[in-house]
Amino acid sequence: DTGVSQNPRHKITKRGQNVTFRCDPISEHNRLYWYRQTLGQGPEFLTYFQNEAQLEKSRLLSDRFSAERPKGSFSTLEIQRTEQGDSAMYLCASSLRQGAQETQYFGPGTRLLVL
Amino acid sequence: GQQLNQSPQSMFIQEGEDVSMNCTSSSIFNTWLWYKQDPGEGPVLLIALYKAGELTSNGRLTAQFGITRKDSFLNISASIPSDVGIYFCAGRISPSNTGKLIFGQGTTLQVKP
Repeated sequence: DTGVSQNPRHKITKRGQNVTFRCDPISEHNRLYWYRQTLGQGPEFLTYFQNEAQLEKSRLLSDRFSAERPKGSFSTLEIQRTEQGDSAMYLCASSLRQGAQETQYFGPGTRLLVL
Repeated sequence: GQQLNQSPQSMFIQEGEDVSMNCTSSSIFNTWLWYKQDPGEGPVLLIALYKAGELTSNGRLTAQFGITRKDSFLNISASIPSDVGIYFCAGRISPSNTGKLIFGQGTTLQVKP
């Protein structure tokens, strides 16, 4: 399978705990995106990387959130001191920027439930 | 923030019927993408559009990039039960070097056999 993979698929945690999610993009893709999706809504952009550089962060990404892509391959998204409002599906997407055309392919997501 | 207005919000149709859904924006877009999402899964790309006026098909699916660059539609012909799911439009604002996508609220499609 050469698609985008995410781990874990599901995570249940208690409020105040830290959680970390991993995303492995399609191997030749240079861009990696994180989105958050709550029930009944479309995905919302959080942040993205081009190779190892984090180029943009949404205002949705509070100080408790941090993302890394240390070697320009896989990425991690960490949420510190989780809150119940963090419960959502966290989606990763990757793309290969070629000129003006860029198509993002999504992983299966990590569903987070904060109790 | 930026928003896409996607309609209808939901549709309940008979198998074999054609379906149409659309997205509009107040901003000009340089890319329109259509995705389908099943419960508990990530969005799966259906069609990508990069030029105003572009009309692209993928099997029974046809999508168009509006001439004004502020809208797009998706048609599904001869619907079948496996078409059930949530369809999202997504776009990239022009001009922009960022690749981030803005998503519509989704259209939930139910097909009655």
